[in-house]
Amino acid sequence: EDKVVQSPLSLVVHEGDTVTLNCSYEVTNFRSLLWYKQEKKAPTFLFMLTSSGIEKKSGRLSSILDKKELFSILNITATQTGDSAIYLCAVEAQGGTSYDKVIFGPGTSLSVIP
Amino acid sequence: DAGVTQSPTHLIKTRGQQVTLRCSPISGHKSVSWYQQVLGQGPQFIFQYYEKEERGRGNFPDRFSARQFPNYSSELNVNALLLGDSALYLCASSRYRGWSTGELFFGEGSRLTVL
Repeated sequence: EDKVVQSPLSLVVHEGDTVTLNCSYEVTNFRSLLWYKQEKKAPTFLFMLTSSGIEKKSGRLSSILDKKELFSILNITATQTGDSAIYLCAVEAQGGTSYDKVIFGPGTSLSVIP
Repeated sequence: DAGVTQSPTHLIKTRGQQVTLRCSPISGHKSVSWYQQVLGQGPQFIFQYYEKEERGRGNFPDRFSARQFPNYSSELNVNALLLGDSALYLCASSRYRGWSTGELFFGEGSRLTVL
């Protein structure tokens, strides 16, 4: 059965800390891995990763994929209170000849305290 | 440009009733997908539609159905509601059929409570 696992499930850090969020997956016919940030209701896109070893960066956030070991990490440096959110990892897989599917992990709830 | 819009934002139903949720994608987006998010869990994929055809289906019972209209808006229907159907229902749109464009644009969701 396809699954996406995230760790830790929750995390509390102080402003300025660096955090690493983990995502591992087991899916058939992997296509891409995506990270989203969910602050209230609507998740917002952060990164899409398709190739191993190529780091994606956006400001203080970065992410990398290891397709051999089937995991990805999301790093946030110099955390700010505005980084407090649920971080979702999702894997896109081909489900059939014309069907695709997206499997989300449970999310990591990050709280950044001043 | 307007983002993905969903209606209603909140609704309360009783067991056995039926509900219809609506979604309007971003202008120019032809793909719409639906997700169920139970409190404390990640979104679970329900359906994907592209060009008015079903292109993906998650592991949900036949009580769940959806359709996409010529203007690319979409409806999600749930019949014979159960308490366990209480959740946030998210709609997302993208420009292309395939997911490999990466970026899904999500609406604010419809919060369904079943009593």
